[in-house]
Amino acid sequence: GQQVMQIPQYQHVQEGEDFTTYCNSSTTLSNIQWYKQRPGGHPVFLIQLVKSGEVKKQKRLTFQFGEAKKNSSLHITATQTTDVGTYFCAGQRSSASKIIFGSGTRLSIRP
Amino acid sequence: DGGITQSPKYLFRKEGQNVTLSCEQNLNHDAMYWYRQDPGQGLRLIYYSQIVNDFQKGDIAEGYSVSREKKESFPLTVTSAQKNPTAFYLCASSILGAGETQYFGPGTRLLVL
Repeated sequence: GQQVMQIPQYQHVQEGEDFTTYCNSSTTLSNIQWYKQRPGGHPVFLIQLVKSGEVKKQKRLTFQFGEAKKNSSLHITATQTTDVGTYFCAGQRSSASKIIFGSGTRLSIRP
Repeated sequence: DGGITQSPKYLFRKEGQNVTLSCEQNLNHDAMYWYRQDPGQGLRLIYYSQIVNDFQKGDIAEGYSVSREKKESFPLTVTSAQKNPTAFYLCASSILGAGETQYFGPGTRLLVL
């Protein structure tokens, strides 16, 4: 079945350093979504990527969708303590199939 | 993430008891989902529903049951058959069928003693 793998599982960075999490699918995706879950909270939708090679930015966050539509990345520039949480990718094989969530990357930050 | 409520926030039950978790949404979304999250883990799909009176099993449906009698409501029952029910349960909804942007409720933490 379809799998969505996410790495790394954990990352601990110094405040101000950059952070990247990677998402890889075993099958071609029609779209990929990214969510953020703060400690003790619930996942909140960040963005959706649909086009091959698409790049979207939200302030310090940059999201990319691979040319083959099988991988994606989230890059945070100059992390801040407010970035702490777990970042999940979620892929969809077709518009008719359900979303498959990656296992998440937990980001912690040293002030 | 507004418009979806889950109650209660924390729930304690004795082993062997069934327990029902509430999920209500006023977003007029067609689809609703239940996920289970264990500490430090990702989201695992329990059940989902795309229309009223219809639902499908997810990846870990054993020991759980659901109903969808109203568009706004999708309660989850954790039965005594679920061997390890202690977890964080998240309900979500989306506009169309499976795969659209999902809006999550605040979750219910279930502790079975």
